[in-house]
Amino acid sequence: KQEVTQIPAALSVPEGENLVLNCSFTDSAIYNLQWFRQDPGKGLTSLLLIQSSQREQTSGRLNASLDKSSGRSTLYIAASQPGDSATYLCAEYTGANNLFFGTGTRLTVIP
Amino acid sequence: EAGVAQSPRYKIIEKRQSVAFWCNPISGHATLYWYQQILGQGPKLLIQFQNNGVVDDSQLPKDRFSAERLKGVDSTLKIQPAKLEDSAVYLCASSLDGGAGEKLFFGSGTQLSVL
Repeated sequence: KQEVTQIPAALSVPEGENLVLNCSFTDSAIYNLQWFRQDPGKGLTSLLLIQSSQREQTSGRLNASLDKSSGRSTLYIAASQPGDSATYLCAEYTGANNLFFGTGTRLTVIP
Repeated sequence: EAGVAQSPRYKIIEKRQSVAFWCNPISGHATLYWYQQILGQGPKLLIQFQNNGVVDDSQLPKDRFSAERLKGVDSTLKIQPAKLEDSAVYLCASSLDGGAGEKLFFGSGTQLSVL
């Protein structure tokens, strides 16, 4: 059974701290893994997409890594800001025409 | 570039009533998706269109849900009759041609409350 797990479900950090969000997946036949941000009452914004042949992707203060052998991906956020407060979702694409989402980590950055 | 447009933003109905949601994808995007996101969960795919044809509707509860994408552009998702467990955010997304390496672009969603 395909599962994508995100732990912790919620995280609070003080402003300026570096943090890591975790995502684990069970289906090793992965094409790519995507990280999304969701603000309350809004849709999802794609942050980073890592192809199965890649190990990491970077965009600004965000860095996402992918380890297929262990079934894990991490999203690293450097120097967190209050504006980073949101729910972060990872999603696995295994080629069955479907992104399979985790349940998300709700991040709060405290000023 | 205009994003994915959805309406309405919010809808409150009583159980057994009908409801319809509308989505206009990004211009030129061939692939359109409808997702259901129940509170505290990740989005779950309901149906995927490639132009005006259905690619995947295996998760769509066909006894009460229907969707169409006439002319391969706009799409509507309908629920008839609604149940309490249909309360969720319904997200529409689009991508250029549905390939494995593509990013999906999401609309703001329609929040449905069934009372």
